[in-house]
Amino acid sequence: EVQLVQSGSEVKKPGESLKISCKISGYSFTNYWIAWVRQMPGKGLEWMGIIYPGESDIIYSPSFQGQVTISADNSISTAYLRWRSLKASDTAMYYCARRHESSGYYVDYWGQGTLVTVSS
Amino acid sequence: SYELTQPPSVSVSPGQTARITCSGNALPKQYAYWYQQKPGQAPFVVIYNDSERPSGIPERFSGSISGTTVTLTISGVQAEDEGDYYCHSTDSTGTYWVFGGGTKLTVL
Repeated sequence: EVQLVQSGSEVKKPGESLKISCKISGYSFTNYWIAWVRQMPGKGLEWMGIIYPGESDIIYSPSFQGQVTISADNSISTAYLRWRSLKASDTAMYYCARRHESSGYYVDYWGQGTLVTVSS
Repeated sequence: SYELTQPPSVSVSPGQTARITCSGNALPKQYAYWYQQKPGQAPFVVIYNDSERPSGIPERFSGSISGTTVTLTISGVQAEDEGDYYCHSTDSTGTYWVFGGGTKLTVL
């Protein structure tokens, strides 16, 4: 069974750093692209970027380039999303999502989401 | 940057047909996908490749494309179909993902 299990909710202060994770199981981690998607409170889905763990290929949305860092650790089948210095506007739900790799490049599996709250 | 445009809201009575549109210049070239999201839940795909329906998705969900607009049609809407619907595609190069702003479907 394919599963994307994300790390738990976080409450941080502005200026703090944070790294959230997405642990994959049920398939070969290095063979599928993993995307990160932001959903601010009451708002829509925003694509942040995507990583192909097999080749460490990473594409960032221009809107998020330089604001976050996407990475992966193939040895533990885990993808990460990192912030160096959080802002209140980073408060959101963050989803990791697997890209389907045949007959359409849609998201076929989602993580359960990680709620990040940034408040002083 | 590339954008996909959806109406903010659509309302229909049970049993009627709901149509949700999504417009974008690259849609004739790049496939569109549709996701349903309910409060407190992750989204899930209901249509892929403009008009294909994943297994397990009811037949009342269908998709189509005309020019630069894709349409999600829900025939015989049921109360359980209420939620937010997002279209998803890529820019003309196929590199950058984009989501539409979302449409809230209300079943009256």
